[in-house]
Amino acid sequence: QSALTQPASVSGSPGQSITISCTGTSSDVGGYNYVSWYQQHPGKAPKLMIYEVSNRPSGVSNRFSGSKSGNTASLTISGLQAEDEADYYCSSYTSSSTLMVFGGGTKLTVL
Amino acid sequence: QVQLQESGPGLVKPSETLSLTCAVSGYSISSGYYWGWIRQPPGKGLEWIGSIHHSGSTYYNPSLKSRVTISVDTSKNQFSLKLNSVTAADTAVYYCARRSSSWDRHDYWGQGTLVTVSS
Repeated sequence: QSALTQPASVSGSPGQSITISCTGTSSDVGGYNYVSWYQQHPGKAPKLMIYEVSNRPSGVSNRFSGSKSGNTASLTISGLQAEDEADYYCSSYTSSSTLMVFGGGTKLTVL
Repeated sequence: QVQLQESGPGLVKPSETLSLTCAVSGYSISSGYYWGWIRQPPGKGLEWIGSIHHSGSTYYNPSLKSRVTISVDTSKNQFSLKLNSVTAADTAVYYCARRSSSWDRHDYWGQGTLVTVSS
């Protein structure tokens, strides 16, 4: 069982917006702004999409945005495109001895 | 452009040691950041293994700490992973990645290499 909880799957139609949640505790998501999100297409390495809760690396579309409320972080993708279909993982620093934890991943299907 | 490339055996026997190397290009390891390993069992999620700074300071996932060693060779601009006493549960795609010092991101990743533990 992963330390951070994500829905197993979400779906949306092209042009729509979807949100993926990532729930942790006050020892990780809620306690630090060190939440990041990764996109992973089948057979490929994860790609950083969001860091420090809401910052986008250079080159990442502004259709991707991040936020946090309490112990839950969220990734929102607006204007869904077919190429957004992938697995998405959240990650956070944790004050526990584990130091870094990932969510179980969410499979995004673009209908 | 920072690039990372994993290399090592794709098949390891149970109870033996898994050894992988990550060659870094486009950035000098000695210039900063942390360098680490993350794995993903087939069809499953990501698991952080550990990371190292060029100074030699290391951080490990406690669940693997007794079996893991990460080392760095700044002269070759590469770092390595050793995982001993492997079992079938260690079968996974192993990724090397660059991590920020503030633990807020892994911004560059290798393509990953599948390591299968089997006799």
